Amino acid sequence: ETGVTQSPTHLIKTRGQQVTLRCSSQSGHNTVSWYQQALGQGPQFIFQYYREEENGRGNFPPRFSGLQFPNYSSELNVNALELDDSALYLCASSRRSGGTEAFFGQGTRLTVV
Amino acid sequence: AQSVTQLDSQVPVFEEAPVELRCNYSSSVSVYLFWYVQYPNQGLQLLLKYLSGSTLVKGINGFEAEFNKSQTSFHLRKPSVHISDTAEYFCAVSDSGNQFYFGTGTSLTVIP
Repeated sequence: ETGVTQSPTHLIKTRGQQVTLRCSSQSGHNTVSWYQQALGQGPQFIFQYYREEENGRGNFPPRFSGLQFPNYSSELNVNALELDDSALYLCASSRRSGGTEAFFGQGTRLTVV
Repeated sequence: AQSVTQLDSQVPVFEEAPVELRCNYSSSVSVYLFWYVQYPNQGLQLLLKYLSGSTLVKGINGFEAEFNKSQTSFHLRKPSVHISDTAEYFCAVSDSGNQFYFGTGTSLTVIP
């Protein structure tokens, strides 16, 4: 079991609403990345935070935003929810160096109705 | 840009038989290669990784993978599978910034 904790585990929202997902990274890790995993697909990179700043972004619109806090925990915010935003959202923590393992949380299952 | 192709979406195999899950990647820069496993309703767990050096990499649960630079492949193998290996397997590449790019996954089903 990794030290990466995500909350909540499940969430149901209505189209047009806003949602905040939370992630506590593993001790000693200074980088947090967020991924969206649609049903039957591989995880897609949303963005990465390092030292409280966004440090790379995948092909996701600006209504996907995030924060990283001084203790390296992180939030993912999604505004104006769409039905296609229904997915498993995974948080991964790692050290900054390339090639190091990323430790994934259990994910938050978001359903937009 | 990096991309990963997993050639088989579903692989059924009988218990105690060998298995190979195929992965090809493309990248314009040097990358690191990983295999992750995902059990139902869980996050991703690292099986093994290739950073440099020996092209044959051994991981947990008896899995191994071979990096082939000329064929840009990183196939996962296990000589004898167990029921507990039934899961979704993802091949991934990462860059120096530790941003991961995953394939679409291979669903391994072990048949008793």
